[in-house]
Amino acid sequence: TQTVSQSDAHVTVFEGDSVELRCNYSYGGSIYLSWYIQHHGRGLQFLLKYYSGNPVVQGVNGFEAEFSKSDSSFHLRKASVHWSDSAVYFCAVSSNTGANTGKLTFGHGTILRVHP
Amino acid sequence: EAAVTQSPRNKVAVTGGKVTLSCNQTNNHNNMYWYRQDTGHGLRLIHYSYGAGSTEKGDIPDGYKASRPSQENFSLILELATPSQTSVYFCASGDWGMDTQYFGPGTRLLVL
Repeated sequence: TQTVSQSDAHVTVFEGDSVELRCNYSYGGSIYLSWYIQHHGRGLQFLLKYYSGNPVVQGVNGFEAEFSKSDSSFHLRKASVHWSDSAVYFCAVSSNTGANTGKLTFGHGTILRVHP
Repeated sequence: EAAVTQSPRNKVAVTGGKVTLSCNQTNNHNNMYWYRQDTGHGLRLIHYSYGAGSTEKGDIPDGYKASRPSQENFSLILELATPSQTSVYFCASGDWGMDTQYFGPGTRLLVL
């Protein structure tokens, strides 16, 4: 069973601040890790993903995430947030082997609020 | 233009009634998915499909059926709707790499 935990339900920062949204996962095999963003009233949009190689991956709009096998983590970061980054952020894990092939398991999401 | 579309966008149904939610994708992806989103639960997978004619049970399939008549279309069917099925439903498509999914705008369903 693959699980995803996002420990912070809400994060509030001011425009220009840096932010880190945390994600921890549990799964024993080869996995894909990804982040999605959901603006209010919209569907989810893909931000970035990691499968192998460089543990720091770059996404759109200045977002990056770092994979850590030792910590079972895939935290999302942005150096300087904008008010338009206010949204719900979902971490997700998927696998290309076994019963979980082709299935994304999502965390419960972190609501990011950026004050102007 | 939007590659994954859903209809209707909003639906009010009565308990015991039949509800069909439709999804269309122009990405030419093999895989399609239905999720529901509820506060406190994130997104949960209901049914998915690897291609036309196939449907697979996800994590919470009870009370739902799915139909994939073509590459482009994937429907979610509630034969006997219940108030517990009030939720926002999202359809998504994905390619064989399976690590990226593309979501529709969602359907808000209220079962009275």
